[in-house]
Amino acid sequence: TQLLEQSPQFLSIQEGENLTVYCNSSSVFSSLQWYRQEPGEGPVLLVTVVTGGEVKKLKRLTFQFGDARKDSSLHITAAQPGDTGLYLCAGVRTDSWGKLQFGAGTQVVVTP
Amino acid sequence: DVKVTQSSRYLVKRTGEKVFLECVQDMDHENMFWYRQDPGLGLRLIYFSYDVKMKEKGDIPEGYSVSREKKERFSLILESASTNQTSMYLCASSGGNNEQFFGPGTRLTVL
Repeated sequence: TQLLEQSPQFLSIQEGENLTVYCNSSSVFSSLQWYRQEPGEGPVLLVTVVTGGEVKKLKRLTFQFGDARKDSSLHITAAQPGDTGLYLCAGVRTDSWGKLQFGAGTQVVVTP
Repeated sequence: DVKVTQSSRYLVKRTGEKVFLECVQDMDHENMFWYRQDPGLGLRLIYFSYDVKMKEKGDIPEGYSVSREKKERFSLILESASTNQTSMYLCASSGGNNEQFFGPGTRLTVL
């Protein structure tokens, strides 16, 4: 199994601060996805990164895929209470059929 | 608006009962998945299906079975529920680009 480790497990910050979430593996993934899950709901896809070194921006969220395609980061600038949620990274597994390997998640809480 | 629906948001069952969790998607996706989500462990794949009547074991299939008689419907079955199967169960579907669309989840408590 290709494992993904996320850090930190929990992050509590004030509105307006910046934060970074990390997703690391010893395995190479063909692509990596980031999902956000709000309480009582299923995860929703935010972004997919495919190319090593790729950087994608989604408003105040910046996603980066490591050059070796083994790690990724999510940076949020000027966090807002609406950014509160569980952030999950997921790598596309090499054993096909579109299966994903999920990290354990980072719970982010942004207080006003 | 694409949608994955699950039959129940909350379910309470007793040890030894047979439990059915149903999932329906309206996106004509070939692939469907069942996960359980536990604190600190993330999402773990129980079973998946890549076509009607086709199923494959995921990482933690013990104690579970599945059924996919129609393309849009994927059912998870707990033959004899046990307390260690208390969890959040999430269903997902995907097409060709690996993006998975999730249902809202079923929080199952086994007493």
